Amino acid sequence: AQSVAQPEDQVNVAEGNPLTVKCTYSVSGNPYLFWYVQYPNRGLQFLLKYITGDNLVKGSYGFEAEFNKSQTSFHLKKPSALVSDSALYFCAVSRLTGGGNKLTFGTGTQLKVEL
Amino acid sequence: NAGVTQTPKFQVLKTGQSMTLQCAQDMNHNSMYWYRQDPGMGLRLIYYSASEGTTDKGEVPNGYNVSRLNKREFSLRLESAAPSQTSVYFCASTSPGLAGTLSSYEQYFGPGTRLTVT
Repeated sequence: AQSVAQPEDQVNVAEGNPLTVKCTYSVSGNPYLFWYVQYPNRGLQFLLKYITGDNLVKGSYGFEAEFNKSQTSFHLKKPSALVSDSALYFCAVSRLTGGGNKLTFGTGTQLKVEL
Repeated sequence: NAGVTQTPKFQVLKTGQSMTLQCAQDMNHNSMYWYRQDPGMGLRLIYYSASEGTTDKGEVPNGYNVSRLNKREFSLRLESAAPSQTSVYFCASTSPGLAGTLSSYEQYFGPGTRLTVT
């Protein structure tokens, strides 16, 4: 069975500092991995994805993520955090079941960027 | 291009009442999904529709039914609401992969419906 773990419920970082939001996964076969962001009272917005190829993927708003197959991780990073990055972040892995493409989500990490 | 729309935005029900959550997408996507979001639990899949005319259960289908009305619309029905169904409900859509393969396309989410059952 596929699963995603986000070990930190909350991450606090000062504006201008680099940020990392951790994600590890368990899946049989090659994973398709995604990061989504949710602002208060909004739906999820797609940030970036890893399908194949380069292990470092770049996405929206200056975010990037590094796929590490040996450590089964897909950590989200940003070189310089902004207060406006404060939101709830979800990691997800895609799986194929019964002809449909389904996402399994982690429990989410609340990112708080402070001045 | 409105993307994925959901109605209503908010709803309060009494235990035992029924209601239907509506979802529509204008991106010509084949696959549609219903999730519920509860604190500390992330998003959990209730039902999905891989293509028009098909529906299938997700992780937490009990107490729900769905209808894929056409390619654009996918509704979620609570026949007899219970307090345990208090949650935020999200609809999503995406393009599928080739038959039997994973899709590399991301899912697009609606703004959500906040449901309270008293």
